[in-house]
Amino acid sequence: GDSVTQMEGPVTLSEEAFLTINCTYTATGYPSLFWYVQYPGEGLQLLLKATKADDKGSNKGFEATYRKETTSFHLEKGSVQVSDSAVYFCALLIIQGAQKLVFGQGTRLTINP
Amino acid sequence: GAVVSQHPSWVICKSGTSVKIECRSLDFQATTMFWYRQFPKQSLMLMATSNEGSKATYEQGVEKDKFLINHASLTLSTLTVTSAHPEDSSFYICSARDLQGYNSPLHFGNGTRLTVT
Repeated sequence: GDSVTQMEGPVTLSEEAFLTINCTYTATGYPSLFWYVQYPGEGLQLLLKATKADDKGSNKGFEATYRKETTSFHLEKGSVQVSDSAVYFCALLIIQGAQKLVFGQGTRLTINP
Repeated sequence: GAVVSQHPSWVICKSGTSVKIECRSLDFQATTMFWYRQFPKQSLMLMATSNEGSKATYEQGVEKDKFLINHASLTLSTLTVTSAHPEDSSFYICSARDLQGYNSPLHFGNGTRLTVT
């Protein structure tokens, strides 16, 4: 069935380091792909999305490109900040039927000053 | 932007009692709301899809008689955990999509932490 696999965490980086969080997916059809972020004590917020192959989603310095050939949607940021510390979830949207979001297991990111 | 309000944010109850969690879309209408459960350090697992005016659709393995879902209006869905037990302790999150269609984003509530003693 449809699934999302994320890079296992936790990930700890120093401020201004380069970040990559890997995400691959398995899906029938052509899903939309998302990254959500969950800051400590808060709910999920949409970070970015891409709805078709080769689309690049970007927000707050984060980017991810929908790669159909590798079924991937890796999250990247060139220079992380302490405020980026959070849990990041990759997700795909199953468009058929109820249009459900399927989440990866989440990656906890900690940025040290 | 669109806001989903979830209430309560945390609740502690005794084993055997029932707990109701509300999910409201504050500034948009949602024909469909989703209920997720998040275990510590794990992902969100979809429990059920709640459709306004009809019965909820439950995911495999989720007991519908234990997790009662009611979606009485376009802005409110409720999840009732009946006869709660300690293993039901978890973080429950609802989400809603507005009427604009499948490509509109899901908006999430801040979640409800349920602790059953």
